Amino acid sequence: EAQVTQNPRYLITVTGKKLTVTCSQNMNHEYMSWYRQDPGLGLRQIYYSMNVEVTDKGDVPEGYKVSRKEKRNFPLILESPSPNQTSLYFCASRTQPGQGNSPLHFGNGTRLTVT
Amino acid sequence: AQSVTQLGSHVSVSEGALVLLRCNYSSSVPPYLFWYVQYPNQGLQLLLKYTTGATLVKGINGFEAEFKKSETSFHLTKPSAHMSDAAEYFCAVSGSSTLGRLYFGRGTQLTVWP
Repeated sequence: EAQVTQNPRYLITVTGKKLTVTCSQNMNHEYMSWYRQDPGLGLRQIYYSMNVEVTDKGDVPEGYKVSRKEKRNFPLILESPSPNQTSLYFCASRTQPGQGNSPLHFGNGTRLTVT
Repeated sequence: AQSVTQLGSHVSVSEGALVLLRCNYSSSVPPYLFWYVQYPNQGLQLLLKYTTGATLVKGINGFEAEFKKSETSFHLTKPSAHMSDAAEYFCAVSGSSTLGRLYFGRGTQLTVWP
C-alpha cells in the first residue's frame, strides 16, 4: 500500500531533550516536506526537500533540522525542543518536486508535547 | 506570492443540508487549487484539485468546487451533508512558479447535526 509513515504518533518530552521524528514513504517520491499544524493557523511548512541531499527552509524553520540522505526517508530533528514547538506535525511527499499541480500525500501525523 | 483565505473557521449544517465552504486565493501566477479533508486523528486527504481545464471540479464523497478566476474563489460544495462529512477542511494553492510549494488556508471545521 502506498503510504507515508511517521513515527511516533504521540510523543511527550521535556525542554531541551533532543528528539527525532521519522518519516518514510514507499512511493519513490522525490519531494518531501514537513508541516506543523496549530489551531487557527492551518498548516505551515517547516522544511522541504526536492531530492536526496537537497533541502530548504519553509516558513517556520527555526528550531528544526532535517536531512535527506535517502530518497524514502526525511527525518525531522529537534535539537533542543521548547514548549512553543508543541504541535501536530505532518510529513508529506509528492512525485514531482517542481510541479505544483501534483497533490501531496500526507502521513497520519505526530502529536508532540514539550513540557 | 500565493495565499489562501478561508472564510469561517467553523461551519455547522444539518444532515441533508447544503454544505458551502468558502475559499479565496491570491496568486501572481495561474493557480493550482486543492481542497483537503482531515478526519480526527488522521492526516490530510485530497478531496479534489483544479489545475487546468474545466472550472467545475468533482471530487470524492460527492464534493465539488468551482474555480472562478474573476472572483479569485474556489468554494467547496456538497448538495446534501452527511454525518460522516464532519471534519476539518483545508483549501490550498500553489503555482508553477513556486517550485511546487503549497500554501494552506487556516481551515474550516465542519459540524453536521442530525
